[in-house]
Amino acid sequence: GAVVSQHPSWVICKSGTSVKIECRSLDFQATTMFWYRQFPKKSLMLMATSNEGSKATYEQGVEKDKFLINHASLTLSTLTVTSAHPEDSSFYICSARASSGRAEEQYFGPGTRLTVT
Amino acid sequence: GQSLEQPSEVTAVEGAIVQINCTYQTSGFYGLSWYQQHDGGAPTFLSYNALDGLEETGRFSSFLSRSDSYGYLLLQELQMKDSASYFCAVTSSGGSYIPTFGRGTSLIVHP
Repeated sequence: GAVVSQHPSWVICKSGTSVKIECRSLDFQATTMFWYRQFPKKSLMLMATSNEGSKATYEQGVEKDKFLINHASLTLSTLTVTSAHPEDSSFYICSARASSGRAEEQYFGPGTRLTVT
Repeated sequence: GQSLEQPSEVTAVEGAIVQINCTYQTSGFYGLSWYQQHDGGAPTFLSYNALDGLEETGRFSSFLSRSDSYGYLLLQELQMKDSASYFCAVTSSGGSYIPTFGRGTSLIVHP
C-alpha cells in the first residue's frame, strides 16, 4: 500500500526558532501533497496544497510567510514553521495524493507534534 | 462553500452495530469519503462513495444518497479497537477536488 512518512514525529522548540517538517511518499509519486493542522479533539484544518514544482496554494487565514512550503520533488514536501510561537503548537499532518490515484483518496503521514515553549 | 455535519460522539458496546451519519452541503459534488483516526495517530482511508448505494468492506460499510446529500458509515460486530474518531470528507469541483473534512465523530466502544 501507499506509505507516507513524516519527520520528525515530534519536536519541541523554543519560541522564535524555526522548525522544518518533512513529508515523503515512500513508494509512489505524489504530484500533490496537503498540509493539515489539527487541534486536540478537532477536525483536520487544511493549511495549504503543495504541487510539485510550483508554489503552494494557501488556505484563507494561513500566513504563507510563516508556514513555508516547498515541494521540490515528486516524493518530498517540506513545511517550515518560521519564528515559531506557543500558539503554533499543534499536530501537523501531511497527506499525499498519488499521481495515478483517485482524486478522493489521500494517504496520510503519521503526523508531527510540535510544541513551542 | 462546503459544510459537513456529523455527530460529535457515539457510544456502543462490543459486538453491536453503529451508524455514523454525515450530511453535507457543497457544489459540484464528486464523492464522500470516510477516514478513521485513533488518538495520536494519522487518519486512514476507509471508504469512498461516488454513486448512490451501499459499499461494503468487511465489517465496515458506507452508504450515500446524493439526492439527500447524506451518507453514513456502518460498523458491524464492533470491537474495542474500533474506538476512534471517524471523519467524513466531501470532494467536489467547488472545492477543487480537495477533500473537506467534517468535525469528526468520536466512537467509544464499551465492553
